[in-house]
Formats: sequence, C-alpha cells, structure tokens
Amino acid sequence: KAGVTQTPRYLIKTRGQQVTLSCSPISGHRSVSWYQQTPGQGLQFLFEYFSETQRNKGNFPGRFSGRQFSNSRSEMNVSTLELGDSALYLCASSLGTVSGANVLTFGAGSRLTVL
Amino acid sequence: GIQVEQSPPDLILQEGANSTLRCNFSDSVNNLQWFHQNPWGQLINLFYIPSGTKQNGRLSATTVATERYSLLYISSSQTTDSGVYFCAAASNYQLIWGAGTKLIIKP
Repeated sequence: KAGVTQTPRYLIKTRGQQVTLSCSPISGHRSVSWYQQTPGQGLQFLFEYFSETQRNKGNFPGRFSGRQFSNSRSEMNVSTLELGDSALYLCASSLGTVSGANVLTFGAGSRLTVL
Repeated sequence: GIQVEQSPPDLILQEGANSTLRCNFSDSVNNLQWFHQNPWGQLINLFYIPSGTKQNGRLSATTVATERYSLLYISSSQTTDSGVYFCAAASNYQLIWGAGTKLIIKP
C-alpha cells in the first residue's frame, strides 16, 4: 500500500509570505500529526488531527495552523513567514491517535527555506 | 510535561561493532517508539515498545516502564546503520522527542 505522501518536498519562500504543506496519510489511517525539525530545537510536535478535529497543539504561535479533510488528508499553513521557520516539516499518519497504542509512519518531509 | 533524554549524543563505531542507545523518560508513558532518520531526513519506525522486549534482525529494544527507560541494541553494525536514532514518548496527546543519538559506522 502507498505510504505517507508529503508535498511539496522542497520550497523556498521569502519573509512575510505564507506557505501551505500537504500530507496524504496511509489509506485507512485517521490520524495525521505534524512535526517541525530544526538543528537548534530538534523535533517538535506541532499538532495532531484525528477525524477532522485538532486533538492538540504544541507550543507554536498562531501563525501555524492546520486542518484535516474528510478523506484524512491534512494541510498545514504558516503565515507571515520568519527566517526561523526554515525547517524540515514532517507529517506522520497512524490508525489512531499518537497518545494511543499506535505506530507512526512518516512521510519524507517538506524542506522549507525562508530567505 | 514529560522529558525525554537520550544518550550518548554521538557514537562512532567500526563496522561489525555492537552498540547500546539509551532513552530515559520522566513519567509513565503509553506509547514509546524508536526511529531511525537517514541522511535524507526520512524517519523510519524501528519499534513500538511501551514495555517489554522486541527483536527485528540485528536490532532489538527493551523498555522497562517501571524504571522509565528504554534501550536500543544494534549488533554487528553496518555502514547503512549510520544516521540519527530518536526515541519518542506520548504524553498528554503529544509526542515528545529526545534529542537523538547520532551514530556513525566507519567501514
């Protein structure tokens, strides 16, 4: 079966712009969670969506938002980009929520560079 | 919130050597997983192991939940084992990550 698909894989934006990243989970998985990875902060939880509802959000400003569609595909949006938003953004899908007994499968990531 | 600490931060070994990576967590968890991140950034799930012992080929993992630690064993290391190994624990509907162990296997 197909894995987790993230698009785009690479993108370059300038400060002040906004960006939308997409994540298509494994068929049948209802949870999509998002993570930011930077050299300085490591891997950090952004938010999780389960059955179109946000379950929880990490310690990120309101510029970071997301949503999940009825087919479980998820998007995350970052508005008013800052240099510090340059990072690898990873999404993971699982049958159930991250806090349950569920194995996470990750996509290849979207690498965002903000100039 | 829960704290996750990994050790050692860096590990350099010759091909064929064995290694043990450690993950300590500060509170009880119901979901603990080990991942390998390759040089291209792809995170691969190695084990889902909130307690007990599991083995998969040259890799095995043990979690002692009562003492709040997990160990990842890599035997007969190969150059393809190089990368960063992360453990992650679920708490309060979030997945909290350790800082990782960077493993370099020299041929």
